[in-house]
Amino acid sequence: RKEVEQDPGPFNVPEGATVAFNCTYSNSASQSFFWYRQDCRKEPKLLMSVYSSGNEDGRFTAQLNRASQYISLLIRDSKLSDSATYLCAVNSPGTYKYIFGTGTRLKVLA
Amino acid sequence: ETGVTQSPTHLIKTRGQQVTLRCSSQSGHNTVSWYQQALGQGPQFIFQYYREEENGRGNFPPRFSGLQFPNYSSELNVNALELDDSALYLCASSFELATGELFFGEGSRLTVL
Repeated sequence: RKEVEQDPGPFNVPEGATVAFNCTYSNSASQSFFWYRQDCRKEPKLLMSVYSSGNEDGRFTAQLNRASQYISLLIRDSKLSDSATYLCAVNSPGTYKYIFGTGTRLKVLA
Repeated sequence: ETGVTQSPTHLIKTRGQQVTLRCSSQSGHNTVSWYQQALGQGPQFIFQYYREEENGRGNFPPRFSGLQFPNYSSELNVNALELDDSALYLCASSFELATGELFFGEGSRLTVL
């Protein structure tokens, strides 16, 4: 089993739709989680941290489900500019490294 | 912009050659991590440097080596290049060791022929 797994997609959604992605992790001792956004042929950019209580930033909501070992990202009212690949990053317990998933590709269609 | 700069942005090498990639971290950041991202994959952790010392390594062979300098800039060296080393090499700086808030440079795209 991979340490961090994501559905590669693509998720094709119309403008204005709500879309959600999950990211599962294998090590129950992981404590720190992040979502990154990566545009085509560009570097990843930090989108948001994922807190135990969940957190929201505008149209974006991130949640953590420790029991099932996954994090989620919800995007409401999708915009064309949201089209990108969304990467999750999970800390590797006992180390300082972060493991990234392969990313989920989102295409928002006009 | 993150303030993390990498050079060169693109380069082409042949099998067996050696390459050095450079990274200047964001002002105030003392930690640099290097990642390899193959096409269609997520970034894979190579190693991390904190205050000039290697502080963690991923599953990469010893021909991948690095340095961090007193000004916290960093180099990634790859010897005996193989075709599978073709990838985007990303440098990420952070203001402390344990944070996952990574600020990436634009990357160095390496093609090995």
